[in-house]
Amino acid sequence: SQTIHQWPATLVQPVGSPLSLECTVEGTSNPNLYWYRQAAGRGLQLLFYSVGIGQISSEVPQNLSASRPQDRQFILSSKKLLLSDSGFYLCAWNPLGPSYTFGSGTRLTVV
Amino acid sequence: AQSVTQLGSHVSVSEGALVLLRCNYSSSVPPYLFWYVQYPNQGLQLLLKYTTGATLVKGINGFEAEFKKSETSFHLTKPSAHMSDAAEYFCAVSDRRVQAGTALIFGKGTTLSVSS
Repeated sequence: SQTIHQWPATLVQPVGSPLSLECTVEGTSNPNLYWYRQAAGRGLQLLFYSVGIGQISSEVPQNLSASRPQDRQFILSSKKLLLSDSGFYLCAWNPLGPSYTFGSGTRLTVV
Repeated sequence: AQSVTQLGSHVSVSEGALVLLRCNYSSSVPPYLFWYVQYPNQGLQLLLKYTTGATLVKGINGFEAEFKKSETSFHLTKPSAHMSDAAEYFCAVSDRRVQAGTALIFGKGTTLSVSS
């Protein structure tokens, strides 16, 4: 079966520290992968998407970066976190066509 | 560019009452349309989607939505609210003309409260 894993579930990090969030999918190959951020009162904002290994498109300039080192792995990173990076981060994948599955999310609090 | 507008950031209903959550989209070509539900600190769960065919779409938990091209709307309804329906609801669209890397574009969400 096709599943998506996201970890950690919660994270508290100090300002200026690095970040690495990981997302992996199982049961599929060559998925399109996405990172979204949900901030209070601002809905879901698309951050990055990837259509293949090493292929990253950024939707919003910010303090974050993404990488896809393997077909089914998508990583969200930051070298130095800002307070404004706090939020709920969601990974999603879809095959070609209108079907999207979301991970369970990571609650990031920058203190 | 596509956009999604959800009217009302917060909707309150009584248990057993009709639920109506409004969604309008802006797109030159009718997109694929989705409704997702999110419970606190959880990911998104698909309620229903419209891709083609019948414009009235039935989803899980008794929800349904109707695609109205003339009104560029995709409102979500449920005849009788249940306490367990309290959650945040997101309307989303994706461009049917593009295959690779077509992301979902979301509205800002509507929080549904249900009182007894």
